[in-house]
Amino acid sequence: AQSVTQLGSHVSVSEGALVLLRCNYSSSVPPYLFWYVQYPNQGLQLLLKYTSAATLVKGINGFEAEFKKSETSFHLTKPSAHMSDAAEYFCAVVHLGGGTSYGKLTFGQGTILTVHP
Amino acid sequence: NAGVTQTPKFQVLKTGQSMTLQCAQDMNHEYMSWYRQDPGMGLRLIHYSVGAGITDQGEVPNGYNVSRSTTEDFPLRLLSAAPSQTSVYFCASSRSPANSPLHFGNGTRLTVT
Repeated sequence: AQSVTQLGSHVSVSEGALVLLRCNYSSSVPPYLFWYVQYPNQGLQLLLKYTSAATLVKGINGFEAEFKKSETSFHLTKPSAHMSDAAEYFCAVVHLGGGTSYGKLTFGQGTILTVHP
Repeated sequence: NAGVTQTPKFQVLKTGQSMTLQCAQDMNHEYMSWYRQDPGMGLRLIHYSVGAGITDQGEVPNGYNVSRSTTEDFPLRLLSAAPSQTSVYFCASSRSPANSPLHFGNGTRLTVT
């Protein structure tokens, strides 16, 4: 079964600093991977997705993520943090193997990003 | 464009009561799902549906029922509420379960006392 691990439940950065949120996955077949963002009192919104095309994926709000098969990672980065980036971020993997689990999305535990002025 | 609409936004129940969380989408999406979100546990899949008349269990289905009589609606029923069901519930939909992004509602915050 596929799984997702997000390293660090809380990450704190200064405004203008690099943002790095870590995500590692396990999957028996090449996965599709997503990053979602959740602002307070809202549902999740898609930041970016990897569906086996380019390994470097660009998303909204200046975020990008690189799929590294050898490291089973899909880390999220942004060169310069903004106060408005403060939110909770979720990595997710889609099961693409056979059986009734096809298409099911498994989420990581989430990482809360705090941005200090 | 409303997207995914969940009602109510907040609900307080006593142990043993039943209720239905409503979810409707106007994007003609075949795939709909319910998640619960608890601190430090991410989102966990309760039930999902790949089309009208078809539902299946997710990771944590116990204590919940669903039905899908139309493409637009996917209500979640709590049969006999328990304090362990205190959580934030999200409904989501997509065109296809594999490579289309999920569109989420704004959630229902449920407290069971």
